[in-house]
Amino acid sequence: QSALTQPASVSGSPGQSITISCTGTSSDVGGYNYVSWYQQHPGKAPKLLIYDVSNRPSGVSNRFSGSKSGNTASLTISGLQAEDDADYYCSSYTSDSTLVFGGGTKLTVL
Amino acid sequence: QVQLVESGGGVVQPGRSLRLSCAASGFTFTSYAMHWVRQAPGKGLEWVAVISFSGTYKYYADSVKGRFSISRDSSKNSAYLQMNSLRPEDTAVYYCARERSSGWSIDYWGQGILVTVSS
Repeated sequence: QSALTQPASVSGSPGQSITISCTGTSSDVGGYNYVSWYQQHPGKAPKLLIYDVSNRPSGVSNRFSGSKSGNTASLTISGLQAEDDADYYCSSYTSDSTLVFGGGTKLTVL
Repeated sequence: QVQLVESGGGVVQPGRSLRLSCAASGFTFTSYAMHWVRQAPGKGLEWVAVISFSGTYKYYADSVKGRFSISRDSSKNSAYLQMNSLRPEDTAVYYCARERSSGWSIDYWGQGILVTVSS
């Protein structure tokens, strides 16, 4: 149950687009379309942004999009806004019937 | 509206036990799997355990297997996490969370409760 690999930090200016990667193995990310993405602001509970690789829950801005290629999933945020400054986590179902999270990525909006 | 409220946290000595509770409301509790996820101070999210909607299936992270036990009581709309043989590395905010209808994604989270394991 090794954590999925995410970059520790990314940054972008308002209006720009950024992409956060999430790399696993064929036993998790690559083997199932059960990748999710979460946003967490300091001191708050995480919020679901993307489920099943690329689906957005109702109420989540269409500036957030997800995709997957092989063992790597990606979250793209377009039109960066100040409120996007937060931590982002990916997760995936695994072949052991467990859930694994990525180490998290700190997004800084410059 | 969906609400998940954790209780039972606090400070406990290494080797002792603690039981967390999660009171659920605003949805049909018996239709959803429930998870526990933790976050050590300043660290990332770590999945702990899941229990199926019926309570039949339970799965655990390797780091807690054999020490923690997840359960649910549909008559009380509650989920529980029994934590035994606690270690300092179990110190974290513990979140109770509801799984979406499928796919192992979590759509609702509690506010979290702090468990501190220290002598």
